[in-house]
Amino acid sequence: DTGVSQDPRHKITKRGQNVTFRCDPISEHNRLYWYRQTLGQGPEFLTYFQNEAQLEKSRLLSDRFSAERPKGSFSTLEIQRTEQGDSAMYLCASSGGGGQPQHFGDGTRLSIL
Amino acid sequence: DAKTTQPPSMDCAEGRAANLPCNHSTISGNEYVYWYRQIHSQGPQYIIHGLKNNETNEMASLIITEDRKSSTLILPHATLRDTAVYYCIARPTGNQFYFGTGTSLTVIP
Repeated sequence: DTGVSQDPRHKITKRGQNVTFRCDPISEHNRLYWYRQTLGQGPEFLTYFQNEAQLEKSRLLSDRFSAERPKGSFSTLEIQRTEQGDSAMYLCASSGGGGQPQHFGDGTRLSIL
Repeated sequence: DAKTTQPPSMDCAEGRAANLPCNHSTISGNEYVYWYRQIHSQGPQYIIHGLKNNETNEMASLIITEDRKSSTLILPHATLRDTAVYYCIARPTGNQFYFGTGTSLTVIP
């Protein structure tokens, strides 16, 4: 079990640039989640996939954000035209079905200059 | 999802049991209780979860009251490495977690 892997761990970019993050879930998990966490706060839900279908999106996920999971395995989260307020830790989690717990990666920390 | 209430901070002496409370008075019958912890710069680490019965694993014990309105996470012999923010989450099977701000536990030497 290699756990949930996220890449890159850190990303620094200028305001207005586009960024893309990748998440590789635990291989047998069909559910994948993205969260965002700012300093001093708990993680906030962004979106959820079951296999390749995106089934739920938070109001936090503005139209500048898009997530994909093309083959039901890895997922990408893209932020277009980044803004200062996008600076945060972006966390990915995966789980099996039913009441099984979500397992988290160590996140991608995004800093906007 | 049931919202949870946790004390913002707690201290515990090293080697003693740490008992972290969580109130989830609006929990419904199909909502599990999950506990996670987070150490700075890392993702949340799963600790334990339960529905009705008390649970124990190699990390901790989870005590859920009979009416399911509250629970307690017990770390039997706290070490300095247990210093972290602990989150209690109550939700039905399925989707998003609501984390709240958790309890910041400091284990004191």
